[in-house]
Amino acid sequence: DVKVTQSSRYLVKRTGEKVFLECVQDMDHENMFWYRQDPGLGLRLIYFSYDVKMKEKGDIPEGYSVSREKKERFSLILESASTNQTSMYLCASSFWLADNYEQYFGPGTRLTVT
Amino acid sequence: AQSVTQLDSHVSVSEGTPVLLRCNYSSSYSPSLFWYVQHPNKGLQLLLKYTSAATLVKGINGFEAEFKKSETSFHLTKPSAHMSDAAEYFCVVSLSASKIIFGSGTRLSIRP
Repeated sequence: DVKVTQSSRYLVKRTGEKVFLECVQDMDHENMFWYRQDPGLGLRLIYFSYDVKMKEKGDIPEGYSVSREKKERFSLILESASTNQTSMYLCASSFWLADNYEQYFGPGTRLTVT
Repeated sequence: AQSVTQLDSHVSVSEGTPVLLRCNYSSSYSPSLFWYVQHPNKGLQLLLKYTSAATLVKGINGFEAEFKKSETSFHLTKPSAHMSDAAEYFCVVSLSASKIIFGSGTRLSIRP
């Protein structure tokens, strides 16, 4: 079984704090993703990484950065948390295959910024 | 431009009756198509996928979906709803490893 784990299920932070969300996968997947999920908006891609130290901006990268120093670990960083970053954050991973981009998701981190 | 439209934000059915969750996509070429399910406070789990093989795709828990290129649709069906099917369902178009488009989701409620 593929496992994608996220460091926290629930997190409460104050405005202006630096926040780290960690994601680890155990299937040697090349690709890793960070999404934000808000009601009625589906999932929106924040950042994508296709290899160690490689990253691409997604649809909503503003206010976020990422780090991938090891293949199995992908971190999302909120440089200075704001209340509009209160959301559910989902990490996913997948193989780099030509016609099959099935993703495996972690359980999510519900972040509240007060 | 590529897009995914889930036509219903909320569907409510009685237990034991059929389920239909509708999805239309827009793509300039044949994409890979997926349905994922998300139970409350959980991550997304793959239900089924279409990757240019058979147009009728069977998934887990009795769900299936039919790819109709002429209608650009990929509707999800189940003959008989169960209480445990209550969840949010996402239709997803995948054009490349980094270009994955999620629909806005359909919340399925099951009435006893």
